[in-house]
Amino acid sequence: NAGVTQTPKFRILKIGQSMTLQCAQDMNHNYMYWYRQDPGMGLKLIYYSVGAGITDKGEVPNGYNVSRSTTEDFPLRLELAAPSQTSVYFCASSPRENTEAFFGQGTRLTVV
Amino acid sequence: GQNIDQPTEMTATEGAIVQINCTYQTSGFNGLFWYQQHAGEAPTFLSYNVLDGLEEKGRFSSFLSRSKGYSYLLLKELQMKDSASYLCAVEDSNYQLIWGAGTKLIIKP
Repeated sequence: NAGVTQTPKFRILKIGQSMTLQCAQDMNHNYMYWYRQDPGMGLKLIYYSVGAGITDKGEVPNGYNVSRSTTEDFPLRLELAAPSQTSVYFCASSPRENTEAFFGQGTRLTVV
Repeated sequence: GQNIDQPTEMTATEGAIVQINCTYQTSGFNGLFWYQQHAGEAPTFLSYNVLDGLEEKGRFSSFLSRSKGYSYLLLKELQMKDSASYLCAVEDSNYQLIWGAGTKLIIKP
């Protein structure tokens, strides 16, 4: 039972480069989320999706894009990486609101 | 604005009891979650409160007072493996989670 799988675990990007963080879940959950976690700060919601074909902005969407073509996959795209995007990124899923979220193991991204 | 407050760090002794407080001011309330996060790992779910009162689950209990905007997580019979950060999160009127910065709990032998 894989749960939520994120790749890669670590990545170093140069300023201006682009990359896609992959996220896949095998629990048939409708809701999926992307968060970033900075030291000493709470998790901040970047984007979320309530089902295939539906995405919406969270609290800190600038500099990111997402797509949700299938229930399973929810990739996060970084265009023109900036040092401010250095963070730990977590993907999560849940069956609906008011229920526990299951998190992937995180991607530690450094932009230099 | 929306705000979740938790102590930054707490220290407790193995075998003892510790209470981690969380106060919140959010636009609406649809529930409060507690998650545990070990260093370098993903958060994992501990508890969910939507009604006032105490929810007990083994060594962990969580309390909610909606009128006071207050919750606490109570950990009993502390073990070394309980050393972790404890995250409080409130689901607002749009069903989005607002997260506190977390409380780092250090357990000493």
